[in-house]
Amino acid sequence: DAGITQSPRHKVTETGTPVTLRCHQTENHRYMYWYRQDPGHGLRLIHYSYGVKDTDKGEVSDGYSVSRSKTEDFLLTLESATSSQTSVYFCAITREGQNTEAFFGQGTRLTVV
Amino acid sequence: GDSVTQMEGPVTLSEEAFLTINCTYTATGYPSLFWYVQYPGEGLQLLLKATKADDKGSNKGFEATYRKETTSFHLEKGSVQVSDSAVYFCALKVGTGFQKLVFGTGTRLLVSP
Repeated sequence: DAGITQSPRHKVTETGTPVTLRCHQTENHRYMYWYRQDPGHGLRLIHYSYGVKDTDKGEVSDGYSVSRSKTEDFLLTLESATSSQTSVYFCAITREGQNTEAFFGQGTRLTVV
Repeated sequence: GDSVTQMEGPVTLSEEAFLTINCTYTATGYPSLFWYVQYPGEGLQLLLKATKADDKGSNKGFEATYRKETTSFHLEKGSVQVSDSAVYFCALKVGTGFQKLVFGTGTRLLVSP
């Protein structure tokens, strides 16, 4: 298994509260991604990172922010959680190169009530 | 923009039946193509990949051929098993510098004994 862990694995939070999800890797891969998975939508990219302090927005970035202060950690923050952010969140990592596959964490199931 | 379209599910088959899951793509440049599989409660894991036209990726009895002329990467298996029940995602990776990873919406496969 690729050394990638997500925490927490499950979380229930109230609308309007801040939430931070953590992705930790031991592979020293340069690229890290945050996706959300929803029925009928597959995986949609929220944010990605191409190095320490280098991040950019994906297709569904509204309401989310990220930080990467160390190669191994990529944090996703919901500043003020809403019910539409109830989802399963996956972190992925890849090495450089178009031919390299992504490795995924086991996901975080977030419920906003 | 870059996108992946795959057939909607669920696909329901009996054990030992032949499987095809269709996938077509749109991409600027020459992407690498991937199939990922997601078992219940888990993250995605790589099933197979192909990195250039006419390449065939294969793994665990599954195969897919990179068809540039039809921009397709259909997944096939000659004889499915109950243990193949999962969600299958077609994906592409393309770009110089940062490589964008784009997924289809996923196809659920249900195999009955």
